Amino acid sequence: QKEVEQDPGPLSVPEGAIVSLNCTYSNSAFQYFMWYRQYSRKGPELLMYTYSSGNKEDGRFTAQVDKSSKYISLFIRDSQPSDSATYLCAPGLNQKLVFGQGTRLTINP
Amino acid sequence: NAGVTQTPKFQVLKTGQSMTLQCAQDMNHNSMYWYRQDPGMGLRLIYYSASEGTTDKGEVPNGYNVSRLNKREFSLRLESAAPSQTSVYFCASTLEGLGANVLTFGAGSRLTVL
Repeated sequence: QKEVEQDPGPLSVPEGAIVSLNCTYSNSAFQYFMWYRQYSRKGPELLMYTYSSGNKEDGRFTAQVDKSSKYISLFIRDSQPSDSATYLCAPGLNQKLVFGQGTRLTINP
Repeated sequence: NAGVTQTPKFQVLKTGQSMTLQCAQDMNHNSMYWYRQDPGMGLRLIYYSASEGTTDKGEVPNGYNVSRLNKREFSLRLESAAPSQTSVYFCASTLEGLGANVLTFGAGSRLTVL
């Protein structure tokens, strides 16, 4: 069993839709939970991160963590074509990050 | 501010050839990393260096060597390339502290081994 599981997609939605991206993890010791965004042929870049269970909002993006069920979500409201990218979840423990496979998302105009 | 710079961006090798991927960061970060990214596998850590003069193996170190030349530079060497090493390689760096490990990535180096 992989330490972090993420549906690779691809996921295709119309512009303006609410997008939900999800990961599950097996290590209950993870201390913080990150989301990276990767545009085609580019390196990943940090989108947001949170330490605790609950929601963290940043503009149109909301990261949600449920430690009891080991479930991580990223919600994108009012999705835009510029949000088309691969999204990688990455829970971390101390200085170690474990990356999910990434979900490829396409927002259609 | 260039961030993390990787060279070369693209490389084609024949089986058995050797090559070195170069990485440099200008953010005064103390830790540097090499990852490989393959379809369906996500990012996997090859080697990392917590500080100048130290290196440690990651999840998939076999077939690779690294050198932390100074605080800015961290190179990855393939001594005898194999087709299984066809991948996209990413260098990353961070200013490690007590909090979350926020990595800054380079743009990647695409390697094909024939």
